[in-house]
Amino acid sequence: GAVVSQHPSWVICKSGTSVKIECRSLDFQATTMFWYRQFPKQSLMLMATSNEGSKATYEQGVEKDKFLINHASLTLSTLTVTSAHPEDSSFYICSASSVREAETQYFGPGTRLLVL
Amino acid sequence: QKEVEQDPGPLSVPEGAIVSLNCTYSNSAFQYFMWYRQYSRKGPELLMYTYSSGNKEDGRFTAQVDKSSKYISLFIRDSQPSDSATYLCAMMQAGTALIFGKGTTLSVSS
Repeated sequence: GAVVSQHPSWVICKSGTSVKIECRSLDFQATTMFWYRQFPKQSLMLMATSNEGSKATYEQGVEKDKFLINHASLTLSTLTVTSAHPEDSSFYICSASSVREAETQYFGPGTRLLVL
Repeated sequence: QKEVEQDPGPLSVPEGAIVSLNCTYSNSAFQYFMWYRQYSRKGPELLMYTYSSGNKEDGRFTAQVDKSSKYISLFIRDSQPSDSATYLCAMMQAGTALIFGKGTTLSVSS
């Protein structure tokens, strides 16, 4: 159990375009979902936390108008990188936790974004 | 001082060795401690989860938490080449964000 999927697994886009990444909890209801960013050989950096049906809480330094997060249902959250630029190229990973295991986060496989 | 310190390695061991991975932390309020394994270009996979102090064993893996020393460890017995990965410690207080260490890269040679 506790499987989280992400789509797409990798994406290449032109500078200025927007990219949407989906995160789904496949076998549990995710009351909270988290979005992280990871640069090569670095740890995970939390970008934002979202609870189903409410606005996401962004970490300091993360532009909420740049990284739009929607958590419309208990199994789906989306991250949209708007007007992507090469510096947005990174590995984006989501995680999810349930009410029953609020302290445990299960991670998706990640999405590698390359902006040309 | 960073909240969570973890030696990035790399750590290289021969197959069958016992591996010890460690993290120290500064926030005495942390209650939940996890170890994640991350293979290259993949998302982290939860290995061990411990609440408060004590030991927890799961197969070849043992997690230890010493809250008095603010020190946590992950031991891997009979290490295998398939254990080669980056190991991330993570910890949190109830209701707060998970704080990760930088990760230790482990290489097990056959």
